[in-house]
Amino acid sequence: GNSVTQMEGPVTLSEEAFLTINCTYTATGYPSLFWYVQYPGEGLQLLLKATKADDKGSNKGFEATYRKETTSFHLEKGSVQVSDSAVYFCALPMIKAAGNKLTFGGGTRVLVKP
Amino acid sequence: DAGITQSPRHKVTETGTPVTLRCHQTENHRYMYWYRQDPGHGLRLIHYSYGVKDTDKGEVSDGYSVSRSKTEDFLLTLESATSSQTSVYFCAISERQGSYNEQFFGPGTRLTVL
Repeated sequence: GNSVTQMEGPVTLSEEAFLTINCTYTATGYPSLFWYVQYPGEGLQLLLKATKADDKGSNKGFEATYRKETTSFHLEKGSVQVSDSAVYFCALPMIKAAGNKLTFGGGTRVLVKP
Repeated sequence: DAGITQSPRHKVTETGTPVTLRCHQTENHRYMYWYRQDPGHGLRLIHYSYGVKDTDKGEVSDGYSVSRSKTEDFLLTLESATSSQTSVYFCAISERQGSYNEQFFGPGTRLTVL
């Protein structure tokens, strides 16, 4: 079935540094791809998505490009802030996506220090 | 923010006792999901519902049951809690069929089984 692998954390970096979180996927066809973010003590919320190959999703200064050649959807931000400290999850629909079921990566914890 | 609440937000119980977690939505979305979140495992789907009285198993359904008697409520029951069910439980909702439709998450319930 469809699966996603993302880099393990924690990732620790200083404010204004460049952030990359790697995500690669295995899928049948070209499903939509998602990045979710979980701030401390909260549920997940959608950060961005891309619905087809070569699409770029963007939100809050974060970007990710759907690259079918490398089966990747890496998350990037050019200048992080302390408020970006969170856990980030890459996700895609399960192979039998009836009911919009998603499969998630293991999450990458990011800590931004002032 | 999507109108999703979970109750209780925190619970401590003892092994062998029954536990019911409640998810309530005000969005009238068709699909509802229960996940558990554990370190190193990301989010794993327990059960989901695609309508009133229509439910199906996810990838880690053993030891859990669900019920959905009305659109807005989705209950997760641990018939006899075990320490391995100590986790953070998230409810999510989704509106329509289709792989491009994201899920919206509740704030989570932290369950500790002693």
